[in-house]
Amino acid sequence: AQSVTQLGSHVSVSEGALVLLRCNYSSSVPPYLFWYVQYPNQGLQLLLKYTTGATLVKGINGFEAEFKKSETSFHLTKPSAHMSDAAEYFCAVSDVRLTGGGNKLTFGTGTQLKVEL
Amino acid sequence: DAGVTQSPTHLIKTRGQQVTLRCSPKSGHDTVSWYQQALGQGPQFIFQYYEEEERQRGNFPDRFSGHQFPNYSSELNVNALLLGDSALYLCASSLEGIRVNTEAFFGQGTRLTVV
Repeated sequence: AQSVTQLGSHVSVSEGALVLLRCNYSSSVPPYLFWYVQYPNQGLQLLLKYTTGATLVKGINGFEAEFKKSETSFHLTKPSAHMSDAAEYFCAVSDVRLTGGGNKLTFGTGTQLKVEL
Repeated sequence: DAGVTQSPTHLIKTRGQQVTLRCSPKSGHDTVSWYQQALGQGPQFIFQYYEEEERQRGNFPDRFSGHQFPNYSSELNVNALLLGDSALYLCASSLEGIRVNTEAFFGQGTRLTVV
């Protein structure tokens, strides 16, 4: 079974400061990892994903994440926070079967990011 | 491209009633997954439909059932509603087949309140 742990249900940063949202995963197979953002009363929007290849993944809105197999981590970062980044962020791991897909996502419990002036 | 559309956006039902939620996938997508997101929680996988059949199922009781139509749209049905079924129900679509793990696109969800 796969699982995701997001450390810190609430993170508060100042505008312009570094954003770091933590995600650790557990998977018995090489994982596919994702970060999604959810604004109030909205669905989920994909920020970035790691499948294979380069371990540093760049996404939309200036976010990036690094896959570290030895640490089973996939932390999300952004060098400079903006007020518009305030939202809930979810890390997810995909249940991928070799037979051709699956896309069943297992999500963490989310981290609410607050950006202060 | 309209993306993933869900209807209705909000719904209030009484305990014991039945509800049907609808989802139209993104154009070109053939797989639909349903998730339940309780307040303050991450989405939980309910089940996935591909080629009009349930392909995977999460840890949800049989009160939760679904259907996929030939045009790839899908319905989620919940019978004998409980207060605990109150949640945001999200539909996600993707393209499967030989392409492994394509991106899943989410709709804006249906907010179900059971009173």
